[in-house]
Amino acid sequence: QVQVVESGGGLVKPGGSLRLSCAASGFTFSDYYMTWIRQAPGKGLEWVSYIASSGYTNYPDSVKGRFTISRDNAKNSLYLQMNSLRAEDTAVYYCARIDVDTNMSKLDYWGQGTLVTVSS
Amino acid sequence: QSALTQPRSVSGSPGQSVTISCTGTSSDVGGYNSVSWFQQHPGKAPKLMIYGVSKRPSGVPDRFSGSKSGNTASLTISGLQAEDEADYYCCSYAGSYTLVFGGGTKLTVL
Repeated sequence: QVQVVESGGGLVKPGGSLRLSCAASGFTFSDYYMTWIRQAPGKGLEWVSYIASSGYTNYPDSVKGRFTISRDNAKNSLYLQMNSLRAEDTAVYYCARIDVDTNMSKLDYWGQGTLVTVSS
Repeated sequence: QSALTQPRSVSGSPGQSVTISCTGTSSDVGGYNSVSWFQQHPGKAPKLMIYGVSKRPSGVPDRFSGSKSGNTASLTISGLQAEDEADYYCCSYAGSYTLVFGGGTKLTVL
């Protein structure tokens, strides 16, 4: 069965760095686009990054230049390198699979999320 | 990118129908047939309920339906059940491989 499992969250000081991982199984990882979505405590969902099967990436302005999404198809893994972290980056971070040919509309499998807390 | 606009809360009694709106612009909701809806119960990950404006993934009851008119998309839940009580988020493709979410709507089943 399809599964995505995030890891790597934790407590980090403002200005620090953290690398999140997402292990995928049950599908041909290299064929799919992937994305990171976050949710601050008590708040709504926010799109954080996108990576195509080709390796093309994109980000919203709120994280552009600080966050880097990458993938290792040989390891069926997705990553999010987060640098220059701020208090407002505190959130649960979810990775999700995007079904192809749906104009990024079908985010069909989500992980359980990993909590990142940025605080001194 | 500005967030899509959803009502903060809606409510309905068991068996009734409710509709949640999601208003964007011609650069997102109105420009693409790529609106999706997610259900989120407390402490759980979001679950895809509708994609491509009106398509249902397998396993989602046909009580859930989606539509769009102009810059506003809607999620309708008919035959409300207690387990439908949750937060609902809309999401739209906004061009150039970007996504934008709505602020979320809390559905209360009375």
